[in-house]
Amino acid sequence: GQQLNQSPQSMFIQEGEDVSMNCTSSSIFNTWLWYKQDPGEGPVLLIALYKAGELTSNGRLTAQFGITRKDSFLNISASIPSDVGIYFCAGQLGSGGSNYKLTFGKGTLLTVNP
Amino acid sequence: GAVVSQHPSWVICKSGTSVKIECRSLDFQATTMFWYRQFPKQSLMLMATSNEGSKATYEQGVEKDKFLINHASLTLSTLTVTSAHPEDSSFYICSASEDSFNEQFFGPGTRLTVL
Repeated sequence: GQQLNQSPQSMFIQEGEDVSMNCTSSSIFNTWLWYKQDPGEGPVLLIALYKAGELTSNGRLTAQFGITRKDSFLNISASIPSDVGIYFCAGQLGSGGSNYKLTFGKGTLLTVNP
Repeated sequence: GAVVSQHPSWVICKSGTSVKIECRSLDFQATTMFWYRQFPKQSLMLMATSNEGSKATYEQGVEKDKFLINHASLTLSTLTVTSAHPEDSSFYICSASEDSFNEQFFGPGTRLTVL
């Protein structure tokens, strides 16, 4: 089955710094999603990408859907302490059959030092 | 909008007992609900997909007789872990969507500990 490689596994940064994380896949996806999960909670959708090459922002977050449709990155600018959490990428094939399923990356644990 | 709740938020049970977890969509009708399992420091793994009024579709390696799923209404799905064992201890998360291809909204999760 499809696998997502997400890196880095963890990051320790100072407040105010920018952060970048990415996901790569062995096969294509037609939708890329980025989620944030706080401890003991379910994931919350941050950004959804539906088109190859698409660059989308949500406040201090920016994500891009790779041209090859096999990768995506998420940038967080000017990090703040509440950015702490686990960030997951997820891919979806879409368009019929069982292609609604989400495949998740292994997550990036972000720690922000005040 | 798009709120999904789970109950209970945590449960501790003895080995051999059964545990039921509820997933509710509070402000929309969920044709499709998904059940995931997440082990510590691991990613979310899809266990099964349920559509309202029909049998759930289980992922490979997930025992349907052990993890009973009922999606009897457009706002409620239940997961029953039967004859639970310590290796079933995990964080169980549900998600709900208006349609299987629409955005999934995740519940807050249920921490199951089997002694």
